[in-house]
Amino acid sequence: DAGVIQSPRHEVTEMGQEVTLRCKPISGHNSLFWYRQTMMRGLELLIYFNNNVPIDDSGMPEDRFSAKMPNASFSTLKIQPSEPRDSAVYFCASSLGTASNYGYTFGSGTRLTVV
Amino acid sequence: AQKVTQAQTEISVVEKEDVTLDCVYETRDTTYYLFWYKQPPSGELVFLIRRNSFDEQNEISGRYSWNFQKSTSSFNFTITASQVVDSAVYFCALFTTSGTYKYIFGTGTRLKVLA
Repeated sequence: DAGVIQSPRHEVTEMGQEVTLRCKPISGHNSLFWYRQTMMRGLELLIYFNNNVPIDDSGMPEDRFSAKMPNASFSTLKIQPSEPRDSAVYFCASSLGTASNYGYTFGSGTRLTVV
Repeated sequence: AQKVTQAQTEISVVEKEDVTLDCVYETRDTTYYLFWYKQPPSGELVFLIRRNSFDEQNEISGRYSWNFQKSTSSFNFTITASQVVDSAVYFCALFTTSGTYKYIFGTGTRLKVLA
């Protein structure tokens, strides 16, 4: 298995632009998570899906952020409009179930820089 | 409140030294899970170990060992005979079965192993 695949690896965009981050979870995993990592706040859960349904989006910072999971093999995290404070590494992770019995498998992350 | 504290921000050791990374957690749940993840310089997050709240047996995997003590709410990680390849940021995480089933990560400990 190729693991959790995220694209792009790096994204540099100007403030105000729309940014879309993509994630392909491991085949057969039914839970998908989006995390953001910054020096100041560490790893924060933004949203997670179970069987393609958003279960908890309480970590989504504001309305500028949205996430979708149209099918079991694809998810997107969109920021519109982007702001410099959104600069961070965004990780996608997947697991079988809610990860109580298994660790997550994380993707390699997308490093977003908003200038 | 649920919380994970990794008080050591950064540790430097010389190769072949033993090093212990501390993790203290807070939860009122009786059922919970504790994890350690490694984040090497390449950026991905790698699952190392899972321990549930009913299993206080220590675990050893090669040069890695984990000491779980419920009496002190600690789940410490020891690397024996450290190597340069162990240089990474290590995260401790708490997963509880109440609420919305999500990880709470500590802020991480950066380990530098010097040759």
